[in-house]
Amino acid sequence: EIVLTQSPGTLSLSPGERATLSCRASQSVSSSYLAWYQKKPGQAPRLLIYGASSRATGIPDSFSGSGSGTDFTLTISRLEPEDFAVYYCQQYGSSPWTFGQGTKVEIK
Amino acid sequence: QVQLQESGPGLVKPSETLSLTCTVSGYSISSGYYWGWIRQPPGKGLEWIGSIYHSGGTYYNPSLKSRLTVSVDTSKNQCSLKLSSVTAADTAVYYCARKGRSGWYADYWGQGALVTVSS
Repeated sequence: EIVLTQSPGTLSLSPGERATLSCRASQSVSSSYLAWYQKKPGQAPRLLIYGASSRATGIPDSFSGSGSGTDFTLTISRLEPEDFAVYYCQQYGSSPWTFGQGTKVEIK
Repeated sequence: QVQLQESGPGLVKPSETLSLTCTVSGYSISSGYYWGWIRQPPGKGLEWIGSIYHSGGTYYNPSLKSRLTVSVDTSKNQCSLKLSSVTAADTAVYYCARKGRSGWYADYWGQGALVTVSS
């Protein structure tokens, strides 16, 4: 089973700043089958990125994904107030599909 | 717009069977895609439980396969989850989710339903 480790656990930033979130896999993720999600309290999780770098429908271009192999990154170029949330990565290259523990982006 | 809504008992006794239903609106299950379940125990990470295609093909997490049944009712546009012999470790928020078009990510999710296993 591929274990995904997200860092940092919490990121304290101000609106307008750039956020860089890391997701590291215990083994190489085949074909860059990696997704990112945003989760806010009381809301359904929202798909942001799939295939490591493809934005989902309706996701603003302030969100971008990159990486391959074992190291992946989600970047939010300029944080808007609505971007403060918990972010999860997920690999789907090797069964069972697994998720990271999450990174909380909080207002500084 | 695709919407998913989970429903079912919020409290289940140990050793009994957990049952949840996901009602889909805005899309016909019989038109395609896999539909299934992801859960998150309190304070822990997410876990993909299992999914089913409208024609019956399934994906089950190997760690849960022996206790798991995921089914679909196209006439009601619903997907269901049954998890047998539950313990406190099965206490979690259970999300209904649709598999994405090009891989095993989830492109639509329900709001989630908290199920507590306790006597």
